[in-house]
Amino acid sequence: QVQLQESGPGLVEPSETLSLSCTVSGGSISGYYWTWIRQPPGKGLEWIGHIYDTGTTKYNPSLKSRVTISLDTSKNQFSLKLSSVTTADTAVYYCTRHTVGQGSHYWGQGTLVTVSS
Amino acid sequence: QSALTQPASVSGSPGQSITISCTGTSSDVGGYNSVSWYQQHPGKAPKLMIYEVSNRPSGVSNRFSGSKSGNTASLTISGLQAEDEADYYCSSYTGISTWVFGGGTKLTVL
Repeated sequence: QVQLQESGPGLVEPSETLSLSCTVSGGSISGYYWTWIRQPPGKGLEWIGHIYDTGTTKYNPSLKSRVTISLDTSKNQFSLKLSSVTTADTAVYYCTRHTVGQGSHYWGQGTLVTVSS
Repeated sequence: QSALTQPASVSGSPGQSITISCTGTSSDVGGYNSVSWYQQHPGKAPKLMIYEVSNRPSGVSNRFSGSKSGNTASLTISGLQAEDEADYYCSSYTGISTWVFGGGTKLTVL
């Protein structure tokens, strides 16, 4: 069974860089889009971006200047970096496995990241 | 990219059917058959219920169905059950090779 698990600091100071990792178990990295999605408290889902197994990335235009998603196939992990964070970046961050053209069949449990001094 | 438009809330009684709409543009919903629907219970991660407009992943009840007409996609839940009470989100592939979500719809089972 495919499982994803987010990890990283739960508290980040304003203007700093948010860094999260997602460890994938029970399945191959190949052939999928590895995706980050976030959800501010009490609000809806926002697609952040994805990376394909070739390393090709695509980002939400509204976040593109601050986002980097990378993939470490040797560790079965992919990562998110979001720079210059503000309180508006406070959210539950989910990592997912997205099947091409379909959707995210597998999700991590989500991790709350709070931006505060 | 702008969020897809969903009604903020819908409600129905057990056994009834409800439909949730998801309106986009010709650059997302209307232009591709890559529309998916997610169910989210409080405090839980979303669950994929429909993909490619009308396909159900293994294990999803056939009470859930999807369709699309023009720039609007729809999720229909028939035979409403108490466990269907949740938030529902649509998502679509876009012309700039990204994905966009709807604002979400809260379903209340009366």
